[in-house]
Amino acid sequence: AQSVTQLGSHVSVSEGALVLLRCNYSSSVPPYLFWYVQYPNQGLQLLLKYTTGATLVKGINGFEAEFKKSETSFHLTKPSAHMSDAAEYFCAVSAGNNRKLIWGLGTSLAVNP
Amino acid sequence: NAGVTQTPKFQVLKTGQSMTLQCAQDMNHNSMYWYRQDPGMGLRLIYYSASEGTTDKGEVPNGYNVSRLNKREFSLRLESAAPSQTSVYFCASSDGQLTDTQYFGPGTRLTVL
Repeated sequence: AQSVTQLGSHVSVSEGALVLLRCNYSSSVPPYLFWYVQYPNQGLQLLLKYTTGATLVKGINGFEAEFKKSETSFHLTKPSAHMSDAAEYFCAVSAGNNRKLIWGLGTSLAVNP
Repeated sequence: NAGVTQTPKFQVLKTGQSMTLQCAQDMNHNSMYWYRQDPGMGLRLIYYSASEGTTDKGEVPNGYNVSRLNKREFSLRLESAAPSQTSVYFCASSDGQLTDTQYFGPGTRLTVL
C-alpha cells in the first residue's frame, strides 16, 4: 500500500528566503509523485510531477523537487519565496494498478514581508 | 475551454435535505473523481469513475451516491444531508493513466445545519 507524509502542517518563511516543503512516501512499487498547490478559495493545480527519468523535476513558478529513492523523499524547494507563493501545498503518490492518488495532509506556506 | 466546472459554488442545507452536486469536464478525460476537503484532513476520495459506465467507492463513500451520466458529467448526491457532511467538495478529472495530472474544479462549499 502507498502512503504519503508531509512533515510540517504549517511553514513560515520570509520573502526572499528558501522554501523547503518536505514529503516522504511509502510504496512497494516504483512511484509516480506529484506536488499540487491550492491558492485560497481555489481548486488544486499541478506544480510538478515525477514519472520516470531525471530525478530533479522543475515545475511552474520556480519550484522544483528531487526524487530520492534511497530516502523515499520528494521534497519541494524554491530558492526565493515570493508573497504570491502563500498557499496550501499537497504531495501525492500514484502507484500500483489503480487510478487513484494517495494524498498527504498538506502544508500551509506563509510568506512574511 | 472551461476545464472542470462545478455547480453550485455555495450551498446551505438543513439536516435531512437532499441535493446533487454537478461536475462537468470538457477535456475528453476518461476518469473523474469526487473529493471532500476538511481542515487538517487533506483531500479524501469519496467516489471515482475510472471510465464512462463505471464507478467505485473511495475512502469515505458513506452517505453519498454518484452517477457518471456520460463521459463529460459526474454528479454527487447527498440523499439525507448530515452536519458531518459540511465540507468543501472538489471534482477532478484525468485521462486515467497513473502518470496523468488531475485537473480540479473550483469547489462547492456545503454547509449542513
